[in-house]
Amino acid sequence: GAGVSQSPSNKVTEKGKDVELRCDPISGHTALYWYRQSLGQGLEFLIYFQGNSAPDKSGLPSDRFSAERTGGSVSTLTIQRTQQEDSAVYLCASHLPGTGYGYTFGSGTRLTVV
Amino acid sequence: AQSVTQLGSHVSVSEGALVLLRCNYSSSVPPYLFWYVQYPNQGLQLLLKYTTGATLVKGINGFEAEFKKSETSFHLTKPSAHMSDAAEYFCAVSETGNQFYFGTGTSLTVIP
Repeated sequence: GAGVSQSPSNKVTEKGKDVELRCDPISGHTALYWYRQSLGQGLEFLIYFQGNSAPDKSGLPSDRFSAERTGGSVSTLTIQRTQQEDSAVYLCASHLPGTGYGYTFGSGTRLTVV
Repeated sequence: AQSVTQLGSHVSVSEGALVLLRCNYSSSVPPYLFWYVQYPNQGLQLLLKYTTGATLVKGINGFEAEFKKSETSFHLTKPSAHMSDAAEYFCAVSETGNQFYFGTGTSLTVIP
């Protein structure tokens, strides 16, 4: 697609429920990143995909968080048993390595856990 | 190790005044440097980037940044602030042009 698409744009969920956040990167971008941005905070790196593999999962805050990427394209970030501290904006970015261009970010998913 | 420090989490300027947002980096090799802007309720947009060549880089909306290797800095400037410049600004560094490391951001307020 023309840009990075994230869905849903907003999600309100009850504490303890599981949620899935979707990212559809720019076609041909082999690298994909997930970040979390809490209110008034900077960007917290979560996970990085190169193709379908995740060379760097170091930012996932707990084992309740997982992510996958299939077909080298769409990625899903899953949060199990959501907690109130999971409330944040989750940003996805894609990138074509070696080009010298920066990341292209999606508009994010605003997750609110009530 | 790569890292970025943005001095000043909040900066306020009057409309028409100079904007200066500071970014210092740490890198073991000549880095790629980027500035991103985030308007309210939106994702990050690329403002400008330095890869190689001229050290003064011009970006969108009248912003520019100068790569100063001796000072390990990449400060963002704009001669005259506009109300529409109010946003969050992030500096980022990469040694490879692949994985980037972001600063904690600077929130710019423009006072009418």
